[in-house]
Amino acid sequence: EAQLVQSGGDLVRPGGSLMLSCRASGFNFKDAWMTWMRQASGKGLEWVGRIKSEVDGGTTDYAAPVKGRVSISRDDSQNTLYLHMWNLQVDDTGVYYCTVKAHWGQGTLVTVSS
Amino acid sequence: DIQMTQSPSSLSASVGDRVTVTCRAGQNIATYLNWYQQKPGKAPKLLIYAASTLQSGVPSRFSGSTSGTDFTLTISGLQPEDVASYYCQQSYRVPYTFGQGTKLEIK
Repeated sequence: EAQLVQSGGDLVRPGGSLMLSCRASGFNFKDAWMTWMRQASGKGLEWVGRIKSEVDGGTTDYAAPVKGRVSISRDDSQNTLYLHMWNLQVDDTGVYYCTVKAHWGQGTLVTVSS
Repeated sequence: DIQMTQSPSSLSASVGDRVTVTCRAGQNIATYLNWYQQKPGKAPKLLIYAASTLQSGVPSRFSGSTSGTDFTLTISGLQPEDVASYYCQQSYRVPYTFGQGTKLEIK
């Protein structure tokens, strides 16, 4: 069964940076298109961005609120997905999820506060 | 971006009721529409994809339908465990936008 285990959430100051990780197992990671979502406390779901498989070009797409401040990457040799974020703002606070099709990670909390 | 307008924002119904949640897309998205259920403190769970295909393991009381750019999630025979928030999401074009969500409670 597919499993996504996340790590990396933390408290950071505005303007700071952070990298989230998502370790995958139970499915063919290298052929999967992986997605990051987020959710501010008490708010709805927001699509952050995705990365295609390398065989499909490995390209990335990002939501407008984060474009230019985040980068999604993958290490297929380690079955791991990354979300690198910089110049973090208070509005970036929330729970971040990695997803593939019907499977979601457990979520990791990012708090941006001074 | 494709706007998804979901209604109602909250809903209270009795056990056994038939419940419907609606999502309207701002443009044609064919049937690229997913429905998610999210319980407090948990990751969302995919209920329906391609507008009407039930995800494996999801109870058959959940169903999805479409009419043009209008999409409906129906729960036929509400159960106490269905208390949750429900979200639609279009997967037609990035960014894959969500509806605002519907919070479902039991009367």
